[in-house]
Amino acid sequence: AQKVTQAQTEISVVEKEDVTLDCVYETRDTTYYLFWYKQPPSGELVFLIRRNSFDEQNEISGRYSWNFQKSTSSFNFTITASQVVDSAVYFCALGGYTGGFKTIFGAGTRLFVKA
Amino acid sequence: DGGITQSPKYLFRKEGQNVTLSCEQNLNHDAMYWYRQDPGQGLRLIYYSQIVNDFQKGDIAEGYSVSREKKESFPLTVTSAQKNPTAFYLCASSSGQDLTDTQYFGPGTRLTVL
Repeated sequence: AQKVTQAQTEISVVEKEDVTLDCVYETRDTTYYLFWYKQPPSGELVFLIRRNSFDEQNEISGRYSWNFQKSTSSFNFTITASQVVDSAVYFCALGGYTGGFKTIFGAGTRLFVKA
Repeated sequence: DGGITQSPKYLFRKEGQNVTLSCEQNLNHDAMYWYRQDPGQGLRLIYYSQIVNDFQKGDIAEGYSVSREKKESFPLTVTSAQKNPTAFYLCASSSGQDLTDTQYFGPGTRLTVL
């Protein structure tokens, strides 16, 4: 079965600190996709990144970076120099084919960034 | 501007009433989805549709119904059979029929049963 675990329920940091959100997944697929979404207080999920299982290169986009390690089945997300506007719930998701085409979401990590 | 719209933003319903949540997209996406989100929890898939006039049950379809008569529209009806309907409902769409494609979300509808 496919599973996504975000063990950190809530994280609180002070502005300008770096913070890493953990995501561990389980799948028997050889081809799969990993996603991160941001859910600000307004409620809408905002797409951040999609990564396929054959591309293990880390990615950086501004203050955001992602570390994909197949050996540990992890796809962690780091925010550098956090800002108050980063306060949101962040979801990791896994798209795969076991049991039918499906994307499943983790329970989310709530990030509080204090000024 | 292309995107997904959901209406209404807030919806109140009395017990025993059916209610329909609207979802419209102008992205020309093939697939559309409905998710339910409860406080402190992740998203759970209610229904999805990969093509017009076809839809499939997700993980928690009981008490819900959908239709897909037009490519751009995928309304969700919460029926009186849904025992605990108070939740935040999110609609999403993706460009292809592959359910692992990137999904883009609407702003959500918060349903409260009084």
